[in-house]
Amino acid sequence: GENVEQHPSTLSVQEGDSAVIKCTYSDSASNYFPWYKQELGKGPQLIIDIRSNVGEKKDQRIAVTLNKTAKHFSLHITETQPEDSAVYFCAAYEEEDDYKLSFGAGTTVTVRA
Amino acid sequence: GAVVSQHPSRVICKSGTSVKIECRSLDFQATTMFWYRQFPKKSLMLMATSNEGSKATYEQGVEKDKFLINHASLTLSTLTVTSAHPEDSSFYICSARGAGWNTGELFFGEGSRLTVL
Repeated sequence: GENVEQHPSTLSVQEGDSAVIKCTYSDSASNYFPWYKQELGKGPQLIIDIRSNVGEKKDQRIAVTLNKTAKHFSLHITETQPEDSAVYFCAAYEEEDDYKLSFGAGTTVTVRA
Repeated sequence: GAVVSQHPSRVICKSGTSVKIECRSLDFQATTMFWYRQFPKKSLMLMATSNEGSKATYEQGVEKDKFLINHASLTLSTLTVTSAHPEDSSFYICSARGAGWNTGELFFGEGSRLTVL
């Protein structure tokens, strides 16, 4: 099965700075990589995703990069704001695996005002 | 994005009772729903996969008689925690994928926090 590792587990940044979270995956057949933001007491919310036929995707202040050869993908948040403080999860999905997502352990991001 | 609703958001029950949590897809038909359990400061742990009209598939180590899952319609799946004990206290989250979706895109409910006294 797929194994997703995520680093760092906690990240504290000054407002306005960038935040980068990195994930690696083990199954080369994985082809879809979503990122979720989870605020305290709420369910995860999809913030951006990337498919294996693309190397980079950007949506305003959020970008994701994928390196298939190295089997790692990263989330970049620029110009961080206090409302970006949350737990972020990366995940990997392999189409043949009954549509299951394998999640990373999560990164707690704190943006200091 | 698609909307998935969970109810109740919080529930407190006495040990030995059963609790039902509902997961509804509000604006799409969900052929597959997933149930997760999340401990404090931990990642989501998949408990079972629920397909409409068929029996749920449970992950290894999850007691199917303890956690009853029913997916009776294309918009509703329920998780019933039977004979709940304090160790069943947790945050339970569902997710759903729509009929005909050909990617791994999932939408999550808001979660249900269960406290067993």
